[in-house]
Amino acid sequence: NAGVTQTPKFQVLKTGQSMTLQCAQDMNHNSMYWYRQDPGMGLRLIYYSASEGTTDKGEVPNGYNVSRLNKREFSLRLESAAPSQTSVYFCATPGRTFYGYTFGSGTRLTVV
Amino acid sequence: GQQVMQIPQYQHVQEGEDFTTYCNSSTTLSNIQWYKQRPGGHPVFLIQLVKSGEVKKQKRLTFQFGEAKKNSSLHITATQTTDVGTYFCAGGMGAQKLVFGQGTRLTINP
Repeated sequence: NAGVTQTPKFQVLKTGQSMTLQCAQDMNHNSMYWYRQDPGMGLRLIYYSASEGTTDKGEVPNGYNVSRLNKREFSLRLESAAPSQTSVYFCATPGRTFYGYTFGSGTRLTVV
Repeated sequence: GQQVMQIPQYQHVQEGEDFTTYCNSSTTLSNIQWYKQRPGGHPVFLIQLVKSGEVKKQKRLTFQFGEAKKNSSLHITATQTTDVGTYFCAGGMGAQKLVFGQGTRLTINP
């Protein structure tokens, strides 16, 4: 089993372009999370979904939207990308033993 | 806002030396988790501590949770080159809320 799968792995966007980052988990967990990672800033929560059909803002939600399509999938959308959104994006879900999070391999996004 | 501060930001050691990273929270935590991220990789869960004063060991790694449940530390004895990476603490602050520290990047001179 893959655990948490993110696509794409790399992306370069021009300012103002839009894109959707995809995340899927095969662990049948209710909760899913989107984080961004910037140098010296650790991991900051963008949005999370406690269960199918619900989403909530995290620490840094501005400029992003999310969709919990079903229990498996949680997507993150940038409607109009800005250089400040250059970052590494990680999707996560509680681990198989319900301790800790399992992270996807990340999407490295550059906005020029 | 609620924060988890982690120090140092960087640490360079000679192989065989010990390494310690510290986390401090402004509020009482329900639990503390530790993650390791290899260069270019994703965070990987190491351990969770829940009880006040708890100490857990994983081979050369020792994890501690403070009595007041506001601070934690990770100590690596006799570092090896495989220990290279960034170590993150993450404090549990209630349902659905895990706040990550800034991380400590460990580099090792073989």
